[in-house]
Amino acid sequence: DTGVSQNPRHKITKRGQNVTFRCDPISEHNRLYWYRQTLGQGPEFLTYFQNEAQLEKSRLLSDRFSAERPKGSFSTLEIQRTEQGDSAMYLCASTPKGAGVTDTQYFGPGTRLTVL
Amino acid sequence: GQNIDQPTEMTATEGAIVQINCTYQTSGFNGLFWYQQHAGEAPTFLSYNVLDGLEEKGRFSSFLSRSKGYSYLLLKELQMKDSASYLCAVRDTGGFKTIFGAGTRLFVKA
Repeated sequence: DTGVSQNPRHKITKRGQNVTFRCDPISEHNRLYWYRQTLGQGPEFLTYFQNEAQLEKSRLLSDRFSAERPKGSFSTLEIQRTEQGDSAMYLCASTPKGAGVTDTQYFGPGTRLTVL
Repeated sequence: GQNIDQPTEMTATEGAIVQINCTYQTSGFNGLFWYQQHAGEAPTFLSYNVLDGLEEKGRFSSFLSRSKGYSYLLLKELQMKDSASYLCAVRDTGGFKTIFGAGTRLFVKA
């Protein structure tokens, strides 16, 4: 396994612009999660997929955020009309098929977003 | 509501034992996790408890009391490389949503 990968690793954008991040989970992992983490805080749940189905989405997620996993493999997270408050590390994690209740999550290195 | 409390920071000496506590109040419970996160890196899995009691894995042990909404992570024979944040996380029932605490920053000094 090459691990969970995320691209880009860093993104600087101006307020009001749209950004899109990509996550490639570990091969054969069927559950995929997105989190947001700010300095000094733990990861904050945003959404998760089982295969291509988006099963839960945080109420904290505004309509400016959307995530997709069209073929049940990689996923994208798009933020429209970015705001300075969106500046954070965006983490992706995946869990293997058959993990059951233990569901250990393997995290990617994250995409650090800075909104100017 | 969902609430997970951990101390913000702890300091311990190399070779010693440290216990990091976590209390939680969540609408549901389907397991508690501990993750380690070094500065600037992604979290990595340490332990999982779903039943009451102690789970031991090498230098790391984790304890759970569901009736008290309490867990702790015990680190033995501390090494400098153990300096990191330790995240307590609870999985909600009915799905796989996981709520993380803010983390405890552990400083190991020589």
